[in-house]
Amino acid sequence: DAGVTQSPTHLIKTRGQQVTLRCSPKSGHDTVSWYQQALGQGPQFIFQYYEEEERQRGNFPDRFSGHQFPNYSSELNVNALLLGDSALYLCASSPGPTSQFFGPGTRLTVL
Amino acid sequence: QKEVEQDPGPLSVPEGAIVSLNCTYSNSAFQYFMWYRQYSRKGPELLMYTYSSGNKEDGRFTAQVDKSSKYISLFIRDSQPSDSATYLCASPHNAGNMLTFGGGTRLMVKP
Repeated sequence: DAGVTQSPTHLIKTRGQQVTLRCSPKSGHDTVSWYQQALGQGPQFIFQYYEEEERQRGNFPDRFSGHQFPNYSSELNVNALLLGDSALYLCASSPGPTSQFFGPGTRLTVL
Repeated sequence: QKEVEQDPGPLSVPEGAIVSLNCTYSNSAFQYFMWYRQYSRKGPELLMYTYSSGNKEDGRFTAQVDKSSKYISLFIRDSQPSDSATYLCASPHNAGNMLTFGGGTRLMVKP
């Protein structure tokens, strides 16, 4: 079992650009959540996808959008990048509410 | 006020010491509690989850929940240098899987 995988590992963008991050959930998991973790802070919930629909959303602007595919993999898109978007972006998959399994994250640097 | 709070540390202990990591929470709706371990530049790894008040033990780790005081603890016995990491407590909102994290406590175990 490969666990949760994310790509790319690192990414450098400039302000105003757009970025797409990808996530493949753990086998058997149908729910994918995305989190943003700034340096020295705990992860903050962005949104969650289940059955290809956004089920919950945290306090993030519309510049953050996502998608879930029929195979349960997911993408996170961020438009009009700001310096403050620099963070570790984490994907987590789960079969239910009692545990979420995280991927290694994508480190995004906005210059 | 943040819904889940942790002392950021760093907490430095000698190898073999008993470590106590603590969280407080303010949302009475929180029912489940998780502890995650995060090594530098890696994704969080689920260590333990608990539902009810009381203790739950897993090897060298013991999770303790006191819902009356909204206090969560993680104890690590016989701490090892490999335990050096950031420890995050989290709770899912009862509306779904959205996890609310504390800011994390950085632990350093010195040989």
